[in-house]
Amino acid sequence: DTAVSQTPKYLVTQMGNDKSIKCEQNLGHDTMYWYKQDSKKFLKIMFSYNNKELIINETVPNRFSPKSPDKAHLNLHINSLELGDSAVYFCASSFEGGNGYTFGSGTRLTVV
Amino acid sequence: SQQGEEDPQALSIQEGENATMNCSYKTSINNLQWYRQNSGRGLVHLILIRSNEREKHSGRLRVTLDTSKKSSSLLITASRAADTASYFCATVRSGGYQKVTFGTGTKLQVIP
Repeated sequence: DTAVSQTPKYLVTQMGNDKSIKCEQNLGHDTMYWYKQDSKKFLKIMFSYNNKELIINETVPNRFSPKSPDKAHLNLHINSLELGDSAVYFCASSFEGGNGYTFGSGTRLTVV
Repeated sequence: SQQGEEDPQALSIQEGENATMNCSYKTSINNLQWYRQNSGRGLVHLILIRSNEREKHSGRLRVTLDTSKKSSSLLITASRAADTASYFCATVRSGGYQKVTFGTGTKLQVIP
């Protein structure tokens, strides 16, 4: 299936742990994104990569580090997890200048 | 700051009725997009309208854009229970790499 797939779908972890979320797209898009959706459903962009190059880096704690090994993958590593990091994280992709974004199904992160 | 804000925040209608959601934004845009998010899922792109367009149709969806008022509306005609979801507008600013900013969303409930 052509899609944006992210794993895991659910992630429950303790404060202070380090975790990673993986994202892969097979749509041939050249730009990938990470969005955070909070409990009020507000979506905020965190990072964007175009052809493996970081192009958008919003005000995000440096505990969050994206990595793009190639243009089909964009992973998100989070160090020293905090309670406030609990949210749903969405990966998305598009063509630069494209007509819309394709989203993954989300990773629900719960920090306890 | 947040770009788009939807109105109303929540909307409940009977099946067969029309649903209208509005989006206001603050700065000039390249295009505006509408997305649907079903509960527990990722966002799905519905329709894109460019800044030089005033109206666009796709099936039961009609989108209007008024750049002088910095507002857009999404009309869903003959609503169905399956239309129950949250709807988000997203604005894309031009200049350099596109940056998509999402609104707060309208939660639509269609009662069978």
